Amino acid sequence: DAKTTQPPSMDCAEGRAANLPCNHSTISGNEYVYWYRQIHSQGPQYIIHGLKNNETNEMASLIITEDRKSSTLILPHATLRDTAVYYCIVLYSGNTPLVFGKGTRLSVIA
Amino acid sequence: EPEVTQTPSHQVTQMGQEVILRCVPISNHLYFYWYRQILGQKVEFLVSFYNNEISEKSEIFDDQFSVERPDGSNFTLKIRSTKLEDSAMYFCASSLGLLENTEAFFGQGTRLTVV
Repeated sequence: DAKTTQPPSMDCAEGRAANLPCNHSTISGNEYVYWYRQIHSQGPQYIIHGLKNNETNEMASLIITEDRKSSTLILPHATLRDTAVYYCIVLYSGNTPLVFGKGTRLSVIA
Repeated sequence: EPEVTQTPSHQVTQMGQEVILRCVPISNHLYFYWYRQILGQKVEFLVSFYNNEISEKSEIFDDQFSVERPDGSNFTLKIRSTKLEDSAMYFCASSLGLLENTEAFFGQGTRLTVV
């Protein structure tokens, strides 16, 4: 089972920042935090990942707390097309697969 | 942008029939995966494949399932005798390296309906 906890749903106004939290209190030192999303019934889409430091790319920012027990995905200016289910995944070392939980259903509202 | 391609997009099959789902991973990728998602449920891992052999599989991936990379481009999932509960979206994915170092790219899925 996924070792993360996410709120089941969130709303965000279009144009505002969407902040999606994730708890991963059992994470160990060499495990990455990954974020994927699934728009409607499409295939999951990679967003961002990190280990210890905060990360930013063209899609989002990832803020990881110093103790690494939680993280926040930030979509800086949410659009209607960002409406999706967002999955926070802790990836264990080695050749282990992605394990998806239930994620957070983000609804961006006009 | 390179992408993972899955065919067909929708397949309807009768219970008990064999079905083969096809995937063309990104050309230089080395790791391949199948996932499924029953309507309204989580995305579930089925199997991972590397160097022409299964590297990991879930409890779902029983003897009814098999995977194959018959040539340098295709990656297939075969279900030998389909059951009603096999109805789901099946997603293929590929990655350049181990997932701890890179991202997985998913196809758009094949919707399998068993009647």
